Amino acid sequence: AQSVAQPEDQVNVAEGNPLTVKCTYSVSGNPYLFWYVQYPNRGLQFLLKYITGDNLVKGSYGFEAEFNKSQTSFHLKKPSALVSDSALYFCAVRDGVKTGTASKLTFGTGTRLQVTL
Amino acid sequence: NAGVTQTPKFRVLKTGQSMTLLCAQDMNHEYMYWYRQDPGMGLRLIHYSVGEGTTAKGEVPDGYNVSRLKKQNFLLGLESAAPSQTSVYFCASSLYAGTSGRARVSNEQFFGPGTRLTVL
Repeated sequence: AQSVAQPEDQVNVAEGNPLTVKCTYSVSGNPYLFWYVQYPNRGLQFLLKYITGDNLVKGSYGFEAEFNKSQTSFHLKKPSALVSDSALYFCAVRDGVKTGTASKLTFGTGTRLQVTL
Repeated sequence: NAGVTQTPKFRVLKTGQSMTLLCAQDMNHEYMYWYRQDPGMGLRLIHYSVGEGTTAKGEVPDGYNVSRLKKQNFLLGLESAAPSQTSVYFCASSLYAGTSGRARVSNEQFFGPGTRLTVL
């Protein structure tokens, strides 16, 4: 069974500083990895995904994520945080190969990012 | 395009009442999903559909039923609501991106704004 762990419930960063939101995963085959962001009272918005290719994936709003197969991690990063980045961030994974069935996402429990002035 | 829409946005039920949540998407997506979001538990998949007329159970299907009579709509029903079903419900859809020769694959999921349900 596939699983995702987001070890930090909350990450606090000062505006202008770099930020990292951690995610580790477990799947039986090659992973498809996703990051989503949720602003208050809103649905989830897609940020970026890793399917194959370069380990550094660039996404929306200046975010990027680094895929590390040996550490089974997919940490979300941004070089310079903004107050407007404050939100709930979810990492998700699915098995890239699932014969005969639909591929389903497994989400982490979420990490709240708080960026302050 | 409206994307993924959900009706209603809020609802309060009494224990034992029934209701249906409607999800609609105008992106011609093949796959649709219903999740519930609870504090500290992330999103958990209730049911999903890989196409019109087909549905399947997810991680937490008990107490819920679904139907996909039209490609653009995915309905979630609660036959007899319980306080444990108090949650925020999200619908999502994704595009069928073809087959790799070994498996059907899908792209990222697009989410609706959510329905906040309280069962008293």
